[in-house]
Amino acid sequence: QKEVEQNSGPLSVPEGAIASLNCTYSDRGSQSFFWYRQYSGKSPELIMSIYSNGDKEDGRFTAQLNKASQYVSLLIRDSQPSDSATYLCAVHNTGGGNKLTFGTGTQLKVEL
Amino acid sequence: EPEVTQTPSHQVTQMGQEVILRCVPISNHLYFYWYRQILGQKVEFLVSFYNNEISEKSEIFDDQFSVERPDGSNFTLKIRSTKLEDSAMYFCASSEALGTDTQYFGPGTRLTVL
Repeated sequence: QKEVEQNSGPLSVPEGAIASLNCTYSDRGSQSFFWYRQYSGKSPELIMSIYSNGDKEDGRFTAQLNKASQYVSLLIRDSQPSDSATYLCAVHNTGGGNKLTFGTGTQLKVEL
Repeated sequence: EPEVTQTPSHQVTQMGQEVILRCVPISNHLYFYWYRQILGQKVEFLVSFYNNEISEKSEIFDDQFSVERPDGSNFTLKIRSTKLEDSAMYFCASSEALGTDTQYFGPGTRLTVL
């Protein structure tokens, strides 16, 4: 069973701080990694994708990938109350159908 | 910006009834997916679909489930005889290509089986 693990949280950070979200995965052959944001009762919304080892920055968001350690992270700088949501790590598994395997998500709370 | 749409937003049905959930993927996308999320649980893959056939399906996607692309725009998920445990949010997604391509999700259909 190919697994994606995340700490469910909640992770509480003060407004303006850096939020660090982590994810590990079991399928060593995975090539594509995604962070989605999900507000309560809504659908997953893509935040970032990352495919190569290292860092990828997009505005206040930085995704980090370490394939040797099977580890993906998301940093959110200058956290805002509107960032309060559940962040889902998703891994594209090897195989023919393009299936995404999701973690349980980390609930982030940004406090005023 | 193009987006995936789904109807209805909420469907209530009696146990044993058939339901059809509808999706309109992004117009130039070729790959379509259904996922579900039971309340409080993770998003789970059900099925992927390309070139009018199923590419991959999960253990959840048993004989009571089927998918169809009845025309050039719609993609449907049919549940033949609903069970209480089918109550969940059902998300349709689409992607332009295989491999590393991003999957974009629709707003979901909340299915409630009574």
